[in-house]
Amino acid sequence: GENVEQHPSTLSVQEGDSAVIKCTYSDSASNYFPWYKQELGKRPQLIIDIRSNVGEKKDQRIAVTLNKTAKHFSLHITETQPEDSAVYFCAAIEDIIQGAQKLVFGQGTRLTINP
Amino acid sequence: NAGVTQTPKFQVLKTGQSMTLQCAQDMNHNSMYWYRQDPGMGLRLIYYSASEGTTDKGEVPNGYNVSRLNKREFSLRLESAAPSQTSVYFCASRDASRAEQFFGPGTRLTVL
Repeated sequence: GENVEQHPSTLSVQEGDSAVIKCTYSDSASNYFPWYKQELGKRPQLIIDIRSNVGEKKDQRIAVTLNKTAKHFSLHITETQPEDSAVYFCAAIEDIIQGAQKLVFGQGTRLTINP
Repeated sequence: NAGVTQTPKFQVLKTGQSMTLQCAQDMNHNSMYWYRQDPGMGLRLIYYSASEGTTDKGEVPNGYNVSRLNKREFSLRLESAAPSQTSVYFCASRDASRAEQFFGPGTRLTVL
């Protein structure tokens, strides 16, 4: 089955700097890679996703890049702000069964933005 | 729309007790999911339901059962709780036409 590794487990950056979180996956058949943000005590929420037919996707200060050959994808946050402090999870699809996604999540990265 | 709702928010059980976690969604989504979240381990899929009347095992199904009562509701049952089942449980749902899974607020379960 699919295995997703996420690094680093914790990341601390100064406000205004950039943050990068990296994930690797094992199944070359995986074709969908979402990123979820989870604020303290809250539910995970999708912030950006990318499909395997695209190399990069941007949404304002957030971007995701995908390298299918190396089987890794990364989340980039520029001009970080205090509200970016949260735990971020990457994921990859293991399978789709009758329309249901089987997502495999990384272990999470706790991002802290220092003022 | 309330989205995905879960009850209870918190629960403390003794080893061997049973309980059912409830989940409901009002978005007319076909597929629903139960995850557990443990520190340093991300979210792990327990069971999922592709549509009403179907359920299937995920990555960590042992010790759990599920029921897809109708299109809206998907419950998770612990028949004989164990301390290893102390976790935060999230329910999620997804529409077939979109990739995003929508999560409920979670249930924090402690088994003593």
